[in-house]
Amino acid sequence: AQRVTQPEKLLSVFKGAPVELKCNYSYSGSPELFWYVQYSRQRLQLLLRHISRESIKGFTADLNKGETSFHLKKPFAQEEDSAMYYCALGVPDKLIFGTGTRLQVFP
Amino acid sequence: NAGVMQNPRHLVRRRGQEARLRCSPMKGHSHVYWYRQLPEEGLKFMVYLQKENIIDESGMPKERFSAEFPKEGPSILRIQQVVRGDSAAYFCASSPPAQGGTEAFFGQGTRLTVV
Repeated sequence: AQRVTQPEKLLSVFKGAPVELKCNYSYSGSPELFWYVQYSRQRLQLLLRHISRESIKGFTADLNKGETSFHLKKPFAQEEDSAMYYCALGVPDKLIFGTGTRLQVFP
Repeated sequence: NAGVMQNPRHLVRRRGQEARLRCSPMKGHSHVYWYRQLPEEGLKFMVYLQKENIIDESGMPKERFSAEFPKEGPSILRIQQVVRGDSAAYFCASSPPAQGGTEAFFGQGTRLTVV
């Protein structure tokens, strides 16, 4: 079965604290994983994809095939990081999304 | 490039009416995808279209829902005889031909409320 699991609905941290948003996937093929972010009243936008292995806005994510995980991390959270974060699995011609995690960063 | 444009942003329909949601893809994009987000759930794939063709409609409910992407004009997601359970946010995404469905750019969504 093709599935993405984000176990946390809400993650609250203080500014400057480390952040880890969890994502696990289930897929029999070679996975293509993404993180999308949706800031308040804005459209969903791509944050990063595992293929590019780049860091965007200080966020990184490593694909761990053994644990079937693609957790999103940032060492020092900022208030402007507050948003909804969706992990997504790319399968041929579509994306399979997790239910999302709302990140709240308090000052 | 204005990005993926969806209209209306908000749509209210009474039970039994029809809802038409429009999506104009980004310039140069010939692939369109529709996703639905029910309250407290993630985005769920509904349908993938190219110009004048439905490629994958595995996520579409079997009845009352249809989608098209004509040669000219926006893609339309049509819901006939709406029911309360159709209330959701409907997102459209588009991608250029080479990228497939995984490099998609999203619109701001249409929030449908059925009263």
